[in-house]
Amino acid sequence: NAGVTQTPKFQVLKTGQSMTLQCAQDMNHNSMYWYRQDPGMGLRLIYYSASEGTTDKGEVPNGYNVSRLNKREFSLRLESAAPSQTSVYFCASSESVLVPPQPQHFGDGTRLSIL
Amino acid sequence: GENVEQHPSTLSVQEGDSAVIKCTYSDSASNYFPWYKQELGKRPQLIIDIRSNVGEKKDQRIAVTLNKTAKHFSLHITETQPEDSAVYFCAASPTGNQFYFGTGTSLTVIP
Repeated sequence: NAGVTQTPKFQVLKTGQSMTLQCAQDMNHNSMYWYRQDPGMGLRLIYYSASEGTTDKGEVPNGYNVSRLNKREFSLRLESAAPSQTSVYFCASSESVLVPPQPQHFGDGTRLSIL
Repeated sequence: GENVEQHPSTLSVQEGDSAVIKCTYSDSASNYFPWYKQELGKRPQLIIDIRSNVGEKKDQRIAVTLNKTAKHFSLHITETQPEDSAVYFCAASPTGNQFYFGTGTSLTVIP
C-alpha cells in the first residue's frame, strides 16, 4: 500500500519551460490537494479536487493548472515556469472534503528548481 | 480567510523535558485542528488531531489542547527523545477543502 505517490522527486527547469507534476493515491480517497512549501511559510494550498471531475482554486493558484484525471490521479501543471515557483510541491489526499474535515495524507514531495 | 499563527519558530529542549508549541487561529468556523511532524526532506505526517467538540486529546507522549473561546490550540510533547527532533506544523480547517497551516516550529531535542 503506497499511499500517495508523486513523480518526479526532483526537477530543474529553465524559466518559461512547462512541466506536469504527477500524483496518484491508492487509498480510494475522494479528495486530492496540491500544496507548495516555501521556507518560513508553511504549506499553502494551490488547488484541490473535491471529487473526480471537479477542481477548485486554493490560496495561491496563479501560474498553475490542474487535472483530476480519475479518482486516483491529480496532476499539477506549470505552463510557463517562473523562478518564483521554485518550491517543494506536496500532493495530499483525504476521504472527502465534506464536513467534518478529514485527515490529509501527504506524498513525499517534488523538489522543483526554476533557473 | 483563516489566519494561523504558530510559536515559537524554533525550540530546543533537553532530552526528557517537555516541549509545548502554540497556535492561534482567527476563523471561529474552524472545527478541525491537525498537527503534522515533518522530518528533514520527508513528507508531513499526521501525529495527532482534535475536533472542536473536544478540549483535549492524548496519545502516549503527545497531547493537544484546544481553547475555542480564545481561539488557540497547543501541542504538548512529554519526555522528549532525540527522534522527536523535526519541524512541527499546526493547521486549522473550517471546511474539508480548506486547510490553513502555521509556519512551523523546528524542535531540537538535545541528548
